[in-house]
Amino acid sequence: ETGVTQTPRHLVMGMTNKKSLKCEQHLGHNAMYWYKQSAKKPLELMFVYSLEERVENNSVPSRFSPECPNSSHLFLHLHTLQPEDSALYLCASSQDPPGQGDQKLFFGSGTQLSVL
Amino acid sequence: GEDVEQSLFLSVREGDSSVINCTYTDSSSTYLYWYKQEPGAGLQLLTYIFSNMDMKQDQRLTVLLNKKDKHLSLRIADTQTGDSAIYFCAERVGGRRALTFGSGTRLQVQP
Repeated sequence: ETGVTQTPRHLVMGMTNKKSLKCEQHLGHNAMYWYKQSAKKPLELMFVYSLEERVENNSVPSRFSPECPNSSHLFLHLHTLQPEDSALYLCASSQDPPGQGDQKLFFGSGTQLSVL
Repeated sequence: GEDVEQSLFLSVREGDSSVINCTYTDSSSTYLYWYKQEPGAGLQLLTYIFSNMDMKQDQRLTVLLNKKDKHLSLRIADTQTGDSAIYFCAERVGGRRALTFGSGTRLQVQP
């Protein structure tokens, strides 16, 4: 248990559906991240939030919409996705700015998303 | 630019040592990391090394960093079947919050 919890673990959705992924961290961190993991590709950074403000947005299509209501919770709202969006979506958290010896990202178990 | 590369697959016998290699391109990397991912799970941090260090040892794990060649390796001594997983190398560049990851090396340990 890493202290970062993602729900649901698995999600199947049609291209016209709207769904949301949820992430919660119990580590007292103030930065949260969404990464996308596709088969045989490097992890792709999608969004970074620090102190509930979006500080990075890596050219992600607008059909993905993040929300960070507080430093413990992060959501990814999904709308009219494409089959190529099927992947494992990983949430992570860290302390920002990182202190000495505190340079670590902690990951959740991910949500396996299938878009039909 | 940031680019982290790893070989895709490594197979070893139980009890042998495993060495997983990684190269990176950004000379301003400050920290380098090794994460482990088991099937159906997220990424678990194994160890990390500050860029001014050459080596770090933690029980069965040894990390070697050659900053001149921008080469990082992870050695697992006495590899067990439970070590079978995908291993990701990652770097933190300068003051960036996020890490840049490689594609991962799948380690298969044969009994």
